[in-house]
Amino acid sequence: DQQVKQNSPSLSVQEGRISILNCDYTNSMFDYFLWYKKYPAEGPTFLISISSIKDKNEDGRFTVFLNKSAKHLSLHIVPSQPGDSAVYFCAASAQNTGNQFYFGTGTSLTVIP
Amino acid sequence: ETGVTQSPTHLIKTRGQQVTLRCSSQSGHNTVSWYQQALGQGPQFIFQYYREEENGRGNFPPRFSGLQFPNYSSELNVNALELDDSALYLCASSSGQVLHGYTFGSGTRLTVV
Repeated sequence: DQQVKQNSPSLSVQEGRISILNCDYTNSMFDYFLWYKKYPAEGPTFLISISSIKDKNEDGRFTVFLNKSAKHLSLHIVPSQPGDSAVYFCAASAQNTGNQFYFGTGTSLTVIP
Repeated sequence: ETGVTQSPTHLIKTRGQQVTLRCSSQSGHNTVSWYQQALGQGPQFIFQYYREEENGRGNFPPRFSGLQFPNYSSELNVNALELDDSALYLCASSSGQVLHGYTFGSGTRLTVV
C-alpha cells in the first residue's frame, strides 16, 4: 500500500527555469513532510521540510508547498541549475508514529544546461 | 563533523545465509533508523533504535533484527536470507527532531543469489 506517491518518474527542465516536483499522499494523519535529494552512489540528502500547520516553507531556491485538503505537496526549485540534477524523494510521517517515514518512489530531475 | 558511515558497501550472500550490516551514526545523533530500498522504489522503513532500544518497526519479519550500541552505532542482522532481500540498505541517523531530517549513509548493496 503506497501511502506516498510520486507519479512522475522523471522531469527535464532547462537551466534557469522552474522545476516543480509533485507528491501525493493518502494518509490524512501525516503531519511532517520532507524532501530528499539523492545523487548516484550516495545516500539521500535532506533538503527541506514542512509541518502540517504551514502551507509553505522556503529555503533559498527551494520552496515546498503543502495543500492538506488535496493531500498534495510540491517542491519548487527556482532557478534550476545543472547541479540540481538528481532523484528527489518526498517522505511523510504521522506525529504518533514520528519515527517511521513513508517515502515516494522518487522523481529523477534533469536540468539541461 | 563526520557523517553516517556504513560497511560493507557491497555484499553477495547465498540464500539461507545470515548477514550483518554496520552503521556509525553522525556525531551528536542518538537515533538510528534502517531502511530497505529495492530497485526503482523509495526507501522502506525497517526499524529505528533510540538509546539502544527498538523504537518502532515497519512491516518486516522477525528475521530482520538490529542492535544499537552505547556509542549510537548500529547493526542490522538478517537471517535466512531470501532472494527478495536483495536491495540497498540505508542507515540514517538523527537528533530526534523530525523536521531536521535524517542523515543517510551511502548504503550497503546486498545481493542474494
